[in-house]
Amino acid sequence: DGGITQSPKYLFRKEGQNVTLSCEQNLNHDAMYWYRQDPGQGLRLIYYSQIVNDFQKGDIAEGYSVSREKKESFPLTVTSAQKNPTAFYLCASSVGASVSKNTEAFFGQGTRLTVV
Amino acid sequence: GQNIDQPTEMTATEGAIVQINCTYQTSGFNGLFWYQQHAGEAPTFLSYNVLDGLEEKGRFSSFLSRSKGYSYLLLKELQMKDSASYLCAVRGSLKAAGNKLTFGGGTRVLVKP
Repeated sequence: DGGITQSPKYLFRKEGQNVTLSCEQNLNHDAMYWYRQDPGQGLRLIYYSQIVNDFQKGDIAEGYSVSREKKESFPLTVTSAQKNPTAFYLCASSVGASVSKNTEAFFGQGTRLTVV
Repeated sequence: GQNIDQPTEMTATEGAIVQINCTYQTSGFNGLFWYQQHAGEAPTFLSYNVLDGLEEKGRFSSFLSRSKGYSYLLLKELQMKDSASYLCAVRGSLKAAGNKLTFGGGTRVLVKP
């Protein structure tokens, strides 16, 4: 079945360590997004990519990095520079907005990161 | 940039109707989306508007006025399972915002018996 997969579901990190969150999609979508969600809050955009080998900073990119070497994959690294990384991280993908009307984003199940 | 505002919380009674408003300012416009999110889960797509007017899908309807930067989501015949957060999201244009997809803070709807 087609879909978008995030792993792991739960992740614990020690302070000062980098950690990479995985996001894979087999929907043949060009666009991919990473969001952060804190308790009781909305989604804040970290990074997004419209095409392979290209990505843009979102609203809260500091302390994060991404790569888009393959269309299917958009991993997010939470670096030690991120001062408050404990949050729920959501990855999403969509077709390119210029392609068709049905451009809604499909979400993975999320990764809950806790700094211990 | 993009800015999206929606109320933080709303309460309604089972069987009633609730309207969730969303106002936005955006760099270009290429569609407005509504999502439902239950606690601890990923958002699920509800509706999409790119032209002015009303889109109806079962108990859910969404309205858009591009000139006013305004949308609402209408939930009819409320059920207890509709208790969730409802997220408004706007996609900027490719030229102005690289198709950036920005979400509002979400509206938590509590349905009471």
